[in-house]
Amino acid sequence: DQQVKQNSPSLSVQEGRISILNCDYTNSMFDYFLWYKKYPAEGPTFLISISSIKDKNEDGRFTVFLNKSAKHLSLHIVPSQPGDSAVYFCAASPNSGYALNFGKGTSLLVTP
Amino acid sequence: ETGVTQSPTHLIKTRGQQVTLRCSSQSGHNTVSWYQQALGQGPQFIFQYYREEENGRGNFPPRFSGLQFPNYSSELNVNALELDDSALYLCASSTKDRVQETQYFGPGTRLLVL
Repeated sequence: DQQVKQNSPSLSVQEGRISILNCDYTNSMFDYFLWYKKYPAEGPTFLISISSIKDKNEDGRFTVFLNKSAKHLSLHIVPSQPGDSAVYFCAASPNSGYALNFGKGTSLLVTP
Repeated sequence: ETGVTQSPTHLIKTRGQQVTLRCSSQSGHNTVSWYQQALGQGPQFIFQYYREEENGRGNFPPRFSGLQFPNYSSELNVNALELDDSALYLCASSTKDRVQETQYFGPGTRLLVL
């Protein structure tokens, strides 16, 4: 049973524009959410996280928004750069980071 | 600061064999988690070790077992390999000394079972 869903397998964005990656979850016990970026032949790299007590967290070009009532989070990348091209995974935890539940990933392509 | 490392990078085994995968945690981390990532899927939680004890397990059978050593390095052992065990195995280290636990991943070991 997939508790974390990333419904867009792929996304293409022009360099300099905003990339918005979406994630939905079903388990209301999730209290910590993370985004990871993965390049081929590498492990996932931690990008940004958000606790369920917040609705927004920002780190440079990356902002994560959490809408608890809709059980939805999104990652905004502004401005997008070609080096951002990778697979992005959304992950959620029911216990402050323990036992992450991952979505299937969204492949982002940023074109020059 | 040394990141998470895993060995070997690739491995080929035959059905029924046993395999041991190794992970060295990031400096200062006392917790290690293992994940299995099948092709086209997100990583799935296998189990976590904290201070050398298993600290929780996902939906994986007992033939998946692990160890954590005093230096916080870790092993994942899989017995009686099946074809469906072919996957990327990821190790992640973290520390439980903070309010939230952010897991940092190694590059993974790609296992092929023939």
